[in-house]
Amino acid sequence: SQKIEQNSEALNIQEGKTATLTCNYTNYSPAYLQWYRQDPGRGPVFLLLIRENEKEKRKERLKVTFDTTLKQSLFHITASQPADSATYLCALLHGSSNTGKLIFGQGTTLQVKP
Amino acid sequence: SQTIHQWPATLVQPVGSPLSLECTVEGTSNPNLYWYRQAAGRGLQLLFYSVGIGQISSEVPQNLSASRPQDRQFILSSKKLLLSDSGFYLCAWSVKTSGNNEQFFGPGTRLTVL
Repeated sequence: SQKIEQNSEALNIQEGKTATLTCNYTNYSPAYLQWYRQDPGRGPVFLLLIRENEKEKRKERLKVTFDTTLKQSLFHITASQPADSATYLCALLHGSSNTGKLIFGQGTTLQVKP
Repeated sequence: SQTIHQWPATLVQPVGSPLSLECTVEGTSNPNLYWYRQAAGRGLQLLFYSVGIGQISSEVPQNLSASRPQDRQFILSSKKLLLSDSGFYLCAWSVKTSGNNEQFFGPGTRLTVL
């Protein structure tokens, strides 16, 4: 069956360090993968999209890699700050791009300590 | 600019009562629309999506239903709520032709069924 898995354990790091979050999937061949940020009691907010033919994507302090052979994406936040504390969700396009259906992982909570 | 509204923000309902949650989008036309549910500490579960007026696809069998009476209006309903319907309900939209299918989420409705 199709699965998307993120580390369910919270990730605690010190301010200034690099946070690395993992998203693994099975039985998918997604055209792209997206990362969202969700703060408590709020809806998710889109951060980055990486396509199947892209190895790496950057946006400010964020970097995403996509390895379609390993079926894995890594999400990095460099020089992390307490304001980066949130839950981060990965999502895959599921089916036709006409519908835009996404399947989300369960999310990993990041806590950055000052 | 585009905005998405959901109401109510919070709702406490007894078991067996009806439900109606409303979502409206402004500043865009002919969007794809989605309803998700998020249980406490869990990921997003896609409930329904719609690619046009009157077109509803159900992802998970349940006692909920959805309707899209107007282009930018999406309604989630139930005739009789169950305890298991408690959760955080999120509406989202995406541009049909963007090729990225980035989803924009509303503020959510926290539903507690007692």
